[in-house]
Amino acid sequence: DQQVKQNSPSLSVQEGRISILNCDYTNSMFDYFLWYKKYPAEGPTFLISISSIKDKNEDGRFTVFLNKSAKHLSLHIVPSQPGDSAVYFCAVLGEAGTALIFGKGTTLSVSS
Amino acid sequence: DSGVTQTPKHLITATGQRVTLRCSPRSGDLSVYWYQQSLDQGLQFLIQYYNGEERAKGNILERFSAQQFPDLHSELNLSSLELGDSALYFCASSVEQATYNEQFFGPGTRLTVL
Repeated sequence: DQQVKQNSPSLSVQEGRISILNCDYTNSMFDYFLWYKKYPAEGPTFLISISSIKDKNEDGRFTVFLNKSAKHLSLHIVPSQPGDSAVYFCAVLGEAGTALIFGKGTTLSVSS
Repeated sequence: DSGVTQTPKHLITATGQRVTLRCSPRSGDLSVYWYQQSLDQGLQFLIQYYNGEERAKGNILERFSAQQFPDLHSELNLSSLELGDSALYFCASSVEQATYNEQFFGPGTRLTVL
């Protein structure tokens, strides 16, 4: 059973608007959450992370929100740019504190 | 460029064969992780090595094995290959053993089993 779920396989947004990518997890013991971005023919690259002691972390145009009671996190991109078009993976740090557990990804398309 | 290199980029082989995928971590990184991304699955953790020793195991099949050498490069060996082993295999590295630190991913090796 999937421990990290990204229920929207794809999202289309116009340039300049907000992109909101969602992620749900099942285990309340998870305490560190990450977003990775992946372009075709490249490996995933780290985007932003959040610890369970926070409910928001911001880095430029990217903000991650964490709702622990709902076991839900979201990534907001404002304003969206065509270069943001990529696959976005939500990930959690597993209980062993080593491996990442990834969702299946959401493909974001930003049109100009 | 993440600084993690993987060879080869593409590999095409037949069922029943054995292949070796190679990964060189970023300079200074002691941990190496292997992940598999197949068509219907997200990235799935296979195995982690830290400074030459196995540290964590995920969904790695018994037909698969890995090792990390004294120069810290790592190899993933896949044997008795099946059609379902066709996937992208990523290597990642990080400085520490436990990763509140960022993991840096290589570009991946695309394995096709015919």
